Amino acid sequence: ETGVTQTPRHLVMGMTNKKSLKCEQHLGHNAMYWYKQSAKKPLELMFVYNFKEQTENNSVPSRFSPECPNSSHLFLHLHTLQPEDSALYLCASSQDANRGYNEQFFGPGTRLTVL
Amino acid sequence: AQTVTQSQPEMSVQEAETVTLSCTYDTSESDYYLFWYKQPPSRQMILVIRQEAYKQQNATENRFSVNFQKAAKSFSLKISDSQLGDAAMYFCAFNDYKLSFGAGTTVTVRA
Repeated sequence: ETGVTQTPRHLVMGMTNKKSLKCEQHLGHNAMYWYKQSAKKPLELMFVYNFKEQTENNSVPSRFSPECPNSSHLFLHLHTLQPEDSALYLCASSQDANRGYNEQFFGPGTRLTVL
Repeated sequence: AQTVTQSQPEMSVQEAETVTLSCTYDTSESDYYLFWYKQPPSRQMILVIRQEAYKQQNATENRFSVNFQKAAKSFSLKISDSQLGDAAMYFCAFNDYKLSFGAGTTVTVRA
């Protein structure tokens, strides 16, 4: 267990549904990240929060909406998704997003299927 | 745009043998950091090894070592004395001002 938890682990939703993914880190880190992992493609960085401030939005469609109420919690709100959004969504944390040397600690991921 | 290329989608190695995974990257920066992460089946991704670009000495962590060739922008991972527990997907990543990952290499270990 790396100290980063994600819920739910599996999610099936229709294109008109609204759902949220939750991530929590117990490591005292200040940076949190959302990634999208699709088969045979590079891991795609979606959002970065550093000290609760969003520092990066990697051209993510607005149907994905992140929320970071504090340094320990990160949410990804989903609304009117498309089937091509089906993927494994990974959350990660690190001590400081501005320190390139810092290791990222990953959660187990949420396997999302959009019907 | 930064890119990380892992040219080997899959690699297979006999237990106790050595396997080398390749990684190349593209950046105009001179100072950056390189990583290899391991993602076992249905388990969380963990850091295997990291390298600072300004250090010429190649990083080593037990059976894992890297061959860092800065001029060639190459960062390969060598797994020595392969074990069954090494079976996983391995991702190369680098961070100059933005962290970028490759597509991964799946390593299978034959008993």
